[in-house]
Amino acid sequence: DSGVTQTPKHLITATGQRVTLRCSPRSGDLSVYWYQQSLDQGLQFLIQYYNGEERAKGNILERFSAQQFPDLHSELNLSSLELGDSALYFCASSRVRGGGTDTQYFGPGTRLTVL
Amino acid sequence: GQQLNQSPQSMFIQEGEDVSMNCTSSSIFNTWLWYKQEPGEGPVLLIALYKAGELTSNGRLTAQFGITRKDSFLNISASIPSDVGIYFCAGPFPRVYAGNMLTFGGGTRLMVKP
Repeated sequence: DSGVTQTPKHLITATGQRVTLRCSPRSGDLSVYWYQQSLDQGLQFLIQYYNGEERAKGNILERFSAQQFPDLHSELNLSSLELGDSALYFCASSRVRGGGTDTQYFGPGTRLTVL
Repeated sequence: GQQLNQSPQSMFIQEGEDVSMNCTSSSIFNTWLWYKQEPGEGPVLLIALYKAGELTSNGRLTAQFGITRKDSFLNISASIPSDVGIYFCAGPFPRVYAGNMLTFGGGTRLMVKP
């Protein structure tokens, strides 16, 4: 158990819909990262938040957005869903804001299926 | 696209055999990480490497940070059935940049026959 929790574990929805994925980081971790894992693209970084502020952005679509709240939990919002958005979404957390030795711990993921 | 090329893509070995996999990049990395992912779980960090030439072990796992800083290797000795999973190499994006996002290799799927 990494200490990172994600809800829900599974989500099935229809195209065009909007969903919210939730992540609680490990106790004491200030950074939260979101990754998408799909069969064709592998594991890809989406976005990082540190202590409530956006820190770094990867290949995140404009239809996707995230935020980190004062209690440090984070939410990833996916809107106007398309079939290709079906994937595993992982949240990871780390102690500080970045740096090569700042270990990221991954949650169990949310499997999103768009029908 | 991915900047880390991992090979082999999959391996099917007999229990007790040793395993080797590697990861290469066209860019220099200052940190190399090896993660393992089991079905239904998120990646779990196995070994972290921070210095060129570094050789680090974690039980039956040994990883090396290549001298050129463009590659890394992971070896598993005397494999057992619970070694089954997907092994990923990863490293921080090779840019001078705030943040700590990781780029991942495509993974090596390991299957162990008892």
